[in-house]
Amino acid sequence: GDSVTQMEGPVTLSEEAFLTINCTYTATGYPSLFWYVQYPGEGLQLLLKATKADDKGSNKGFEATYRKETTSFHLEKGSVQVSDSAVYFCALPPLNSGNTPLVFGKGTRLSVIA
Amino acid sequence: EAQVTQNPRYLITVTGKKLTVTCSQNMNHEYMSWYRQDPGLGLRQIYYSMNVEVTDKGDVPEGYKVSRKEKRNFPLILESPSPNQTSLYFCASSLSQGSNEQFFGPGTRLTVL
Repeated sequence: GDSVTQMEGPVTLSEEAFLTINCTYTATGYPSLFWYVQYPGEGLQLLLKATKADDKGSNKGFEATYRKETTSFHLEKGSVQVSDSAVYFCALPPLNSGNTPLVFGKGTRLSVIA
Repeated sequence: EAQVTQNPRYLITVTGKKLTVTCSQNMNHEYMSWYRQDPGLGLRQIYYSMNVEVTDKGDVPEGYKVSRKEKRNFPLILESPSPNQTSLYFCASSLSQGSNEQFFGPGTRLTVL
């Protein structure tokens, strides 16, 4: 079935470092792709999305490009801040939606130190 | 403000003592669901509801019940909690099952002793 694989965490970076969190997917067709973020003590919230191949989603300095040829949607940020410390989830809607609107990866914890 | 609220945020209880975690959304969403989040396992769906009086099992429903008597509320009931239900629980809602963006509550951290 449709699935998402994220790089294992945790990831620890110094402030202003470059961030990449890898996400690859397995899906029939070309679904929309999403990144959600979970800040400490909070629920998940949508960070960005891309609805078709070659689209780039962006928000709060984060970007991700929908790459059909590599079935990837890697999350990047040029200069991370301490406030970016959170858990990041890649997600997609399963083709046969079944019971859930989205299938989530297992999450990647990012810690940014000053 | 559009939001999903959960109560309580934190709960410590003992094995076998029935409890209810409430969830409410003010966005008139049709679809609501409950997840549990455990280290190394990510988010797993417990139950979901596509509309009032329509509920169904997710991936890990054992030991849980839900009800959907009103569109805005979707309580999670643990009739006889056990230690393996110690977890972080999230309620989520979306406009419909086909609507991809989900809105999450802040979470309820449950410890069953």
